Order: sequence, then structure tokens, then C-alpha cells
Amino acid sequence: DQQVKQNSPSLSVQEGRISILNCDYTNSMFDYFLWYKKYPAEGPTFLISISSIKDKNEDGRFTVFLNKSAKHLSLHIVPSQPGDSAVYFCAASGMNRDDKIIFGKGTRLHILP
Amino acid sequence: ETGVTQSPTHLIKTRGQQVTLRCSSQSGHNTVSWYQQALGQGPQFIFQYYREEENGRGNFPPRFSGLQFPNYSSELNVNALELDDSALYLCASSGSREYNEQFFGPGTRLTVL
Repeated sequence: DQQVKQNSPSLSVQEGRISILNCDYTNSMFDYFLWYKKYPAEGPTFLISISSIKDKNEDGRFTVFLNKSAKHLSLHIVPSQPGDSAVYFCAASGMNRDDKIIFGKGTRLHILP
Repeated sequence: ETGVTQSPTHLIKTRGQQVTLRCSSQSGHNTVSWYQQALGQGPQFIFQYYREEENGRGNFPPRFSGLQFPNYSSELNVNALELDDSALYLCASSGSREYNEQFFGPGTRLTVL
């Protein structure tokens, strides 16, 4: 039973355009949501996070939106750059230290020249 | 500031053998989590160590065990290896305040034949 779902295995976006990566979750107890980026042969790199008390968090070109009623979050990258080509993982957890982080399966983003 | 390091990079074992994977946490981090990432999947939480104590465990059998040392480095031990244990094993460390924002090492690729 997948608690964090990324339904698009891959996404191709033209350089300079907006990339939108989507994520759905089923567990209403999740309080904290994170996005990680992973290049081949490297570990995932933390990108941006959002707590359940917010609906938007922005960091440079990256913005995460949270819709709690729909149990949906999205990551927007504007403008998309070639270096953004990677696998993006959505993850969720509770706010307690011993709450485990649950990851989705990832979406591979290809930025086209 | 030194990042998270893992050793070895790659490992090949046969069924029934035992393996030990090692992780050095990022400087100043006291929490280490271990994940198993099978091909095409997101990282799956194995367990977490906080100040040398196990602090949460995922759905993995007891033959997966771990340790954390006073310098906060950690080991993952897997006994009686099975073919399905073939995966990328990721270690992540985090500090006291942002324990959800974990910093990952490059991983150890384990192949069980």
C-alpha cells in the first residue's frame, strides 16, 4: 500500500519552461513534506520542504504547493534548466523525531534543449 | 564541512552470507537513517539511530540490524542474505533541529548472487 504516490514515472519539459511534478498521499497524519532530487550515482539531495500549516513554500526557482484537502502537493520549477534533469522524489513524514519518512517512487525529469 | 560518506561503493555477495555497510554522518549530525532503494522504487526506510539508540524501524526482518557509534557513524548489518536484498543502500544523516531534512550519502550498491 503506497502512502506517497508519484503517478508520472517521467516528464519532459522544454528548457526555460515551467516543470510541474505532482505527488499524492493517502495518510492524513503526515505533517511534513519534502522533495529530493537525485542524479545517477549520487544520493538524493534535499531540495525544498513544506509543513502542513502552510500551502506554499518558495526557494528561488523552486516552489512547493500543498493542498491538504486533496492530499496533493506539487513542485514547480521555473524556469527549467538543463541541470534540473534528474529523478525527483516526493516524501512525507510526521513531525516527531521517530516518524519515518515515506518516499514516492520518483519522477524522472528531462529538460529538453 | 564533510558530507555523508558510505563504504564500500559496490559489493557482491552470495545468498546466505552476511554483509556490513558503513556510514559516516555529516559533521554535527547525531541522527542516522538507513534506506533500501530497489530498482525503480523510492528509498524505503529500514531504521534510524539517534544518539546510539534505535529510534524507529520500518518493515524489515530482524536479520537487518544496525549500530551507531559515539562519533555518530553507523553500520548496517544484513545476515542470511537473500536475492531480494540486492539494492542500493542509502544512509542519511540529520541534525537535532531539522531531523526531517536528511542529507544522503552516495549509497552502497549490493548485489546478491
